Amino acid sequence: AQTVTQSQPEMSVQEAETVTLSCTYDTSESDYYLFWYKQPPSRQMILVIRQEAYKQQNATENRFSVNFQKAAKSFSLKISDSQLGDAAMYFCAYRTRGGSNYKLTFGKGTLLTVNP
Amino acid sequence: ETGVTQTPRHLVMGMTNKKSLKCEQHLGHNAMYWYKQSAKKPLELMFVYNFKEQTENNSVPSRFSPECPNSSHLFLHLHTLQPEDSALYLCASSQETSTSSYNEQFFGPGTRLTVL
Repeated sequence: AQTVTQSQPEMSVQEAETVTLSCTYDTSESDYYLFWYKQPPSRQMILVIRQEAYKQQNATENRFSVNFQKAAKSFSLKISDSQLGDAAMYFCAYRTRGGSNYKLTFGKGTLLTVNP
Repeated sequence: ETGVTQTPRHLVMGMTNKKSLKCEQHLGHNAMYWYKQSAKKPLELMFVYNFKEQTENNSVPSRFSPECPNSSHLFLHLHTLQPEDSALYLCASSQETSTSSYNEQFFGPGTRLTVL
């Protein structure tokens, strides 16, 4: 079974600074997806960024980028130029690629605070 | 309404009550999910429905009973719950195909359930 670990229960960052959230995972599969989801106080879970394991290039979405280290099974999220609206719970998640297994396996989350 | 909606947003019930949570997706998706989100724990997948057929029951107690009358609606019927069932219940949907391509799960805002 796959597991996802987020070792930082809470993080804080100054507005306009950069912060990196950590995620490690354990799997015996070679082909899978990794995701970062954001859950603001409104509770609606929103996809921030995704990475296909077969792609070596790190995914980027505007101010959000990942550092995907497949051999180390590490998938960190970097938020550049942090904004007050970035304050939320961030969840790292794993999903098998292909087949009929649609299951997302989540980490416990990291609560990000953005200080003005 | 757009996206994935859930009602009610908040629910307080006694252990002997029977209630139902409702989820509706307006995205034309064919797969729907129930997740349980408890404090300091990863999101737990409870049930998966694909084309109205239940494809996964993640060892959920029988006091939780899902119903998927069509591909747009998903219910979670609750009866004789325990206080430890208090949590945020999230619904999600996605468009799943037989290929190995990625299909994002879209989440609803959740129902905050308190069992007294």
